[in-house]
Amino acid sequence: DQQVKQNSPSLSVQEGRISILNCDYTNSMFDYFLWYKKYPAEGPTFLISISSIKDKNEDGRFTVFLNKSAKHLSLHIVPSQPGDSAVYFCAASVHGAGGTSYGKLTFGQGTILTVHP
Amino acid sequence: GAGVSQSPRYKVTKRGQDVALRCDPISGHVSLYWYRQALGQGPEFLTYFNYEAQQDKSGLPNDRFSAERPEGSISTLTIQRTEQRDSAMYRCASSLGVDSGNTIYFGEGSWLTVV
Repeated sequence: DQQVKQNSPSLSVQEGRISILNCDYTNSMFDYFLWYKKYPAEGPTFLISISSIKDKNEDGRFTVFLNKSAKHLSLHIVPSQPGDSAVYFCAASVHGAGGTSYGKLTFGQGTILTVHP
Repeated sequence: GAGVSQSPRYKVTKRGQDVALRCDPISGHVSLYWYRQALGQGPEFLTYFNYEAQQDKSGLPNDRFSAERPEGSISTLTIQRTEQRDSAMYRCASSLGVDSGNTIYFGEGSWLTVV
C-alpha cells in the first residue's frame, strides 16, 4: 500500500524554466510534508517542508503547495538551474495530536529531475 | 563529525550470516532513525530512538532485524541470518529532537548485498 506516490519517475526541464514535481498521498492523518533532494552517492538532504495548516510555503526558488482536499502537494522550482538535477523525494508524517514522531516519514518513490543548460 | 556517519559503506555477505551496521549521528542529536531503501524506491522507515530508548520499531520487517542505541549516541542495526531479500541501502538519520522544525539529516547509507 503506497501511501505517498510520485507518479512521474522523471522530469526534464530547460534551464531557467519552471520545474513542477508532484506528489499524492492517501493517508488523511498526514499533517506534515517534506521534500528531500538526493544527489548520487549522497544521502537525501532536506529541502523544504509544509504543515497541513498552510497551503503554501516558499523558500527562495522553491515553493511547496499543499491541496489537502485533493491530497496533493507539489514542489515548484523557479528558475530551474542545472545544479537542481537530482532525485526529489516527497515525504509525509503524522505529527499532530496522537501522532508519532514527525521523523517517522513515509516517502514516495522519487522523481529524477534533469535540468538542461 | 559534521554529518551522520555510517559504516561500513559497502557490505557483501553470504546468505545466513549476521551483519551489523553502525550509525554515528550528529553530535548532540537526540533522535536517531533507521530507514531501508530499495533500488528505485524511497526510504522506508524501520525504527527510531530518542536517546537510548527505542520508541517505535513498527517498520522492522521481522524478528531477524534488531537495533540498539545503548548510550544514546551510536546505534547498531543487526540483521541475523541474512537473506537475499535483505539486500538494500540502509540509511541512518538523526535530528535534534522530535519537534517539527528539527531537520532530519541522513547519512550516506550502508549498501548491503546478500549473495
